[in-house]
Amino acid sequence: EPEVTQTPSHQVTQMGQEVILRCVPISNHLYFYWYRQILGQKVEFLVSFYNNEISEKSEIFDDQFSVERPDGSNFTLKIRSTKLEDSAMYFCASSEALPGQAYEQYFGPGTRLTVT
Amino acid sequence: QSVSQHNHHVILSEAASLELGCNYSYGGTVNLFWYVQYPGQHLQLLLKYFSGDPLVKGIKGFEAEFIKSKFSFNLRKPSVQWSDTAEYFCAVNEGRDDKIIFGKGTRLHILP
Repeated sequence: EPEVTQTPSHQVTQMGQEVILRCVPISNHLYFYWYRQILGQKVEFLVSFYNNEISEKSEIFDDQFSVERPDGSNFTLKIRSTKLEDSAMYFCASSEALPGQAYEQYFGPGTRLTVT
Repeated sequence: QSVSQHNHHVILSEAASLELGCNYSYGGTVNLFWYVQYPGQHLQLLLKYFSGDPLVKGIKGFEAEFIKSKFSFNLRKPSVQWSDTAEYFCAVNEGRDDKIIFGKGTRLHILP
């Protein structure tokens, strides 16, 4: 069964450094998402991406964050200057785009980001 | 826009029946999900409701009932197993909105 994959599984970085989290969505999916889960809190939506542009973003997704689909398979989340409060598990998800129909999102295993 | 899960931590013995409560606050069309996260694994879809029969069956013997008048989507299983130990997340997608809104999760611990 096709899966969403994410690399690395764990990233440790110093405050102020840039990080790039990588995701490979399921190959025939067209919608891509990033979510995060701070330890002990709920999974929160960050951003959705469709047709090479941001479709929707939350208030968490400020100017420090950016997303990109640099090639036909990868989907990346960049945090420009990490803060301690960016420490969280970051989940990538993808779904088929079915206009006018509901669709489910498939989640990757997550990248645990630790900012020191 | 919120999803409330009534129980944060549930402990049951094997063969006990399970019901995990979930309520959401949105009056329009919703798509409803239960996701499960087994220890050390990623979020997996347990079951979903988009439309039609409000009683939906998912994997591993789980089912959930959508009660529109109560804004609820409770998860049930008649007889739990030790392997059901996991964290369970109720989630809502509003109409054709992109994002899924998650509840805080219920940590289920099954005693062998």
